[in-house]
Amino acid sequence: KNQVEQSPQSLIILEGKNCTLQCNYTVSPFSNLRWYKQDTGRGPVSLTIMTFSENTKSNGRYTATLDADTKQSSLHITASQLSDSASYICVVSDGSTLGRLYFGRGTQLTVWP
Amino acid sequence: EAQVTQNPRYLITVTGKKLTVTCSQNMNHEYMSWYRQDPGLGLRQIYYSMNVEVTDKGDVPEGYKVSRKEKRNFPLILESPSPNQTSLYFCASSYSGGAETQYFGPGTRLLVL
Repeated sequence: KNQVEQSPQSLIILEGKNCTLQCNYTVSPFSNLRWYKQDTGRGPVSLTIMTFSENTKSNGRYTATLDADTKQSSLHITASQLSDSASYICVVSDGSTLGRLYFGRGTQLTVWP
Repeated sequence: EAQVTQNPRYLITVTGKKLTVTCSQNMNHEYMSWYRQDPGLGLRQIYYSMNVEVTDKGDVPEGYKVSRKEKRNFPLILESPSPNQTSLYFCASSYSGGAETQYFGPGTRLLVL
């Protein structure tokens, strides 16, 4: 069964600290993996998209890694800011059915001053 | 301004009363998709469309209908809403459904009594 699991479920860090969020998936065949940031009550916003051949991609203070062999991805946030408080969602695209997406339940990050 | 719009933003209705949530994008995107988001379950795909007159089921299509008669619009239809369809609904679009940024609408909060 195609699934996307994220950990931890929630995380609290102090402003200025770094953190890493994890995503494991069983979706096969794999097409691409995306990380989204979702502020409370708003639609998700894309952070990174990685295909099979990419193992790292950055977007400012956000760096995503992908290990397609172990089916794992991580999102690293550097020098966290209060505005990073949000839910971070990992999404995997099914390579056999273009357009079919599988979502993780998200990691709720809270950054404290 | 490039955007995805949804209407209405908030809706309270009663069981069995047919309703339609509209979704429109002005970016000439071929791919459009509907999701629902529930606490503890994350985002789940309802239906998606790769192009005009082409629609496919996602994770949770039961109780929903969609149509794609023109590229810019992708309405979500609940023929006979039930309380378990109370949720936050998001529409999204992207250029082709492949490894590119997907843009989400602002969401529609639906309460079915």
